[in-house]
Amino acid sequence: ELKVEQNPLFLSMQEGKNYTIYCNYSTTSDRLYWYRQDPGKSLESLFVLLSNGAVKQEGRLMASLDTKARLSTLHITAAVHDLSATYFCAVHNTDKLIFGTGTRLQVFP
Amino acid sequence: NAGVTQTPKFQVLKTGQSMTLQCAQDMNHNSMYWYRQDPGMGLRLIYYSASEGTTDKGEVPNGYNVSRLNKREFSLRLESAAPSQTSVYFCASSEGLASMYEQYFGPGTRLTVT
Repeated sequence: ELKVEQNPLFLSMQEGKNYTIYCNYSTTSDRLYWYRQDPGKSLESLFVLLSNGAVKQEGRLMASLDTKARLSTLHITAAVHDLSATYFCAVHNTDKLIFGTGTRLQVFP
Repeated sequence: NAGVTQTPKFQVLKTGQSMTLQCAQDMNHNSMYWYRQDPGMGLRLIYYSASEGTTDKGEVPNGYNVSRLNKREFSLRLESAAPSQTSVYFCASSEGLASMYEQYFGPGTRLTVT
């Protein structure tokens, strides 16, 4: 059974700082997603990572995938308050998406 | 295009009551899904429908039934609600089940069972 673990579960960081969220998964997969969820809202797709070594960047967020290590990272550069949200990784396995527990990010001045 | 729509947005039920959550998509997608989201946990798949006329169980199907009414609509029914079913429910759709097809999520239904 595929398990997806994220850490940390909660992250409080100061504006301007850098940090990384980690997503580990237990079996092979051919696609990994990162989503953002604002409080009381639905999920918004951020990145789709397809292959080993894939790296995607948008604004202050950069996602990478290491399929050999079964690890994806979401790196935040020079955080701003607007990035405050919950971030989920999700791994596609046998026709289904399996979600991580989420990382709640809070950026303060 | 409205994308994926869900009704109602909020609902409060008493234990033992029944209700149906409605979901519709206008993207001509073949596959549809129902998830629940609980605090401190990611989304968990309840049921999914690969295509019109088919449904399959996900991770947490107990206490729920689904109907794929047509290609556009996929409903989730709670026959006898229990407090453990208090959750936020999300419907999603995609062109197909294969990993190449991204899922698009509705706005969610917040359900409280007292």
